[in-house]
Amino acid sequence: DTAVSQTPKYLVTQMGNDKSIKCEQNLGHDTMYWYKQDSKKFLKIMFSYNNKELIINETVPNRFSPKSPDKAHLNLHINSLELGDSAVYFCASSLYNSPLHFGNGTRLTVT
Amino acid sequence: DQQVKQNSPSLSVQEGRISILNCDYTNSMFDYFLWYKKYPAEGPTFLISISSIKDKNEDGRFTVFLNKSAKHLSLHIVPSQPGDSAVYFCAASSGTYKYIFGTGTRLKVLA
Repeated sequence: DTAVSQTPKYLVTQMGNDKSIKCEQNLGHDTMYWYKQDSKKFLKIMFSYNNKELIINETVPNRFSPKSPDKAHLNLHINSLELGDSAVYFCASSLYNSPLHFGNGTRLTVT
Repeated sequence: DQQVKQNSPSLSVQEGRISILNCDYTNSMFDYFLWYKKYPAEGPTFLISISSIKDKNEDGRFTVFLNKSAKHLSLHIVPSQPGDSAVYFCAASSGTYKYIFGTGTRLKVLA
């Protein structure tokens, strides 16, 4: 009965590779997000989708491409991975002006 | 530009006493504020929220206070328990889907 689930939990890869992180929510929320927690532990919003439409796109390199096939799923594809992409990526979902519900994160390590 | 700040990176409190975590914000358009708790290797978990039309909201041992004129909110935990030891994040939004998070305060409750 996991509310927001993301896979994989850990991802170790080499520079230059392409990788994807998947996220699914079963809460019936209409909005999904990707947040990045960097080495300084800042939680920064990257993207947000409402009913499959992109509504927030922060200053993120275009190597990062989110895709929302339906309201319950939001995937993140990253091309040409760089060392600086190493971080923990959190997926979240919500209704309008309501608390975010987070997944348990994907720790990405680029070597 | 950090719009939401938590100036205390860490706090230690004796079990049974009150824990007070503070958060300051700069954007006067923020009208919805939240507190999250985060354990290691897990996603942030929603604790309590407050709308800008209120100055206090209480839920069990947790109370959030909002001082709009000072652009300050605080989370009180009474009584503190060892299981409360975690990193606490405050967050704010301005009627959009964008939630801005503070940098977190690590609370340690000593038995």
